[in-house]
Amino acid sequence: GAVVSQHPSWVICKSGTSVKIECRSLDFQATTMFWYRQFPKQSLMLMATSNEGSKATYEQGVEKDKFLINHASLTLSTLTVTSAHPEDSSFYICSTPAGDRETQYFGPGTRLLVL
Amino acid sequence: DAKTTQPPSMDCAEGRAANLPCNHSTISGNEYVYWYRQIHSQGPQYIIHGLKNNETNEMASLIITEDRKSSTLILPHATLRDTAVYYCIVLTDSWGKLQFGAGTQVVVTP
Repeated sequence: GAVVSQHPSWVICKSGTSVKIECRSLDFQATTMFWYRQFPKQSLMLMATSNEGSKATYEQGVEKDKFLINHASLTLSTLTVTSAHPEDSSFYICSTPAGDRETQYFGPGTRLLVL
Repeated sequence: DAKTTQPPSMDCAEGRAANLPCNHSTISGNEYVYWYRQIHSQGPQYIIHGLKNNETNEMASLIITEDRKSSTLILPHATLRDTAVYYCIVLTDSWGKLQFGAGTQVVVTP
């Protein structure tokens, strides 16, 4: 069964609004979560690393004030796309390493469409 | 982490073995070879990983050359559900950031 869930699975919003995406680890603690985005016909691009209880680390070129990440508990990390614009329309995916240090589990993804 | 090179696409007949190559000529001694796949509109899925020895699990086999500069993922009996983009990634351990390349688009045909 799924070990990482995301909510919502898809969202449509108007330009200028903010959208929150949740990533939950099921039945295990996730001290670290990674956030990716994927544009159509492209590969996944790492956006940021989310650590429980501390500030997220952003990849070069990713605006930390636009993509707010909160990792307030060991099972939940949230990504908020603030003042979303059509160019933010993408597939957002989270992942977290497994406790055995051998694999990473990915969420099913959230498709965002900004009109 | 070392970069990898994969062919952009590959077709495979259903029921036949699919052999997916990956070059990682700059791999260092403590780096593993990981394979993930992404079925359309889903999150990636872990397949297999290895360091030096060949590995096999219920999904696939991984063959790593002796010099570790390349590897091959083998799907022994491809099914239509194996149609996906397959990513070969080299990194020290799973807690590291996964940097996805373009991958190989595998299409399994009836």
